[in-house]
Amino acid sequence: EVQLLESGGDLVQPGGSLRLSCAASGITFTNSAMTWVRQAPGKGLEWVSTIDKSGSRTYYADSVKGRFTISRDDSKNTLYLQMDSLRVEDTALYYCAKPSLGAMRFQYWGQGTLLSVSS
Amino acid sequence: EIVMTQSPATLSVSPGERATLSCRASQSVGGDLSWYQQKPGQAPRLLIYGTSTRATGVPARFSGSGSGTEFTLTISSLQSEDFAVYYCQQYNNWPPITFGQGTRLEIK
Repeated sequence: EVQLLESGGDLVQPGGSLRLSCAASGITFTNSAMTWVRQAPGKGLEWVSTIDKSGSRTYYADSVKGRFTISRDDSKNTLYLQMDSLRVEDTALYYCAKPSLGAMRFQYWGQGTLLSVSS
Repeated sequence: EIVMTQSPATLSVSPGERATLSCRASQSVGGDLSWYQQKPGQAPRLLIYGTSTRATGVPARFSGSGSGTEFTLTISSLQSEDFAVYYCQQYNNWPPITFGQGTRLEIK
């Protein structure tokens, strides 16, 4: 059974930093690109970032480029999202999701971890 | 960036009736279009990918069609568990991966 378990969400002040984690099981993590998608309260889904299976290529939404960094630790089957210079508009539930092989559609999702940015 | 536009924003349908949800892309996405269902407090669930292929375990009452820029999700006979928010997503030309704003399917 595939499980994606996010953690690290918290209440942070504007300008602060936080790192989210996503622990994966039931998949061959080293063969998997991975993605973060977020959902602001009462809003729709927004793609945030993707990392390829090797970790050598990363992609970001314009809204987070230069502030967020996606990374992975294959020895721990864990995906990370380092978030710096946080803004109120970054407040959201952050999901990690596993794309299908060769296509950026998402069969597997975690349950999300909540980031609140507020003073 | 490919903008995905869903209509209507809210659709009210009676159980047992057919629901038709639309998704339009600002430029062609070929057949690289997925649909997701999201219920309150839950993560999205992949329903349809490649425009018309049902994901594992998805009932046959869900079907997808379209190509290029116009896509449709049809639920042939609504069950109580189908009332949810539905999102389309393109993965033809990325980054960015883009989602529609969602259609809320509610009980009439």
